[in-house]
Amino acid sequence: RKEVEQDPGPFNVPEGATVAFNCTYSNSASQSFFWYRQDCRKEPKLLMSVYSSGNEDGRFTAQLNRASQYISLLIRDSKLSDSATYLCVVNGDGNKLVFGAGTILRVKS
Amino acid sequence: DVKVTQSSRYLVKRTGEKVFLECVQDMDHENMFWYRQDPGLGLRLIYFSYDVKMKEKGDIPEGYSVSREKKERFSLILESASTNQTSMYLCASRAGTGISYEQYFGPGTRLTVT
Repeated sequence: RKEVEQDPGPFNVPEGATVAFNCTYSNSASQSFFWYRQDCRKEPKLLMSVYSSGNEDGRFTAQLNRASQYISLLIRDSKLSDSATYLCVVNGDGNKLVFGAGTILRVKS
Repeated sequence: DVKVTQSSRYLVKRTGEKVFLECVQDMDHENMFWYRQDPGLGLRLIYFSYDVKMKEKGDIPEGYSVSREKKERFSLILESASTNQTSMYLCASRAGTGISYEQYFGPGTRLTVT
């Protein structure tokens, strides 16, 4: 079983739609959680950290469910510029991050 | 702004060649990382370093070695390149000892081994 699992998609949605991505992780000792965004042929960049109480940044909302070892990302009012691959990231053993393989989002006009 | 640079964007090498990939960061970060990224597999950690001259194996170190002689520079070495090392290689750096700090990536080197 992979340490971090994501639905690879692609998710094809129209502009203005709400879309949600899910991610599960296997290490119950993980304490830090993130969503990174990777544009086509570019490097990953931090989108947002995920806190236990859930957090929101504009149109983006991240949720954490420790009991189910599950993280989600909700994007409201999708824009064309949101098209990218979204990587779920969890801390592993030691000082390392473990990356999911990513979920592809395509927003169409 | 943090900047992580990598020596080449694209590289083509022959099987058996020794390959050096260089990474430099300009923010005095303690931690540096080398990943490879392959379709469907995501980013996999090859090696990382907490400090100058320190190195730790990641999840897939076989066929690779690293060098960190200066804090800002972390080199990945393919001792004898093989076709299964064709991949996108990403370097990253991160400040501090806590896992919560943001990790910054370089633009990547797409290596093709023929």
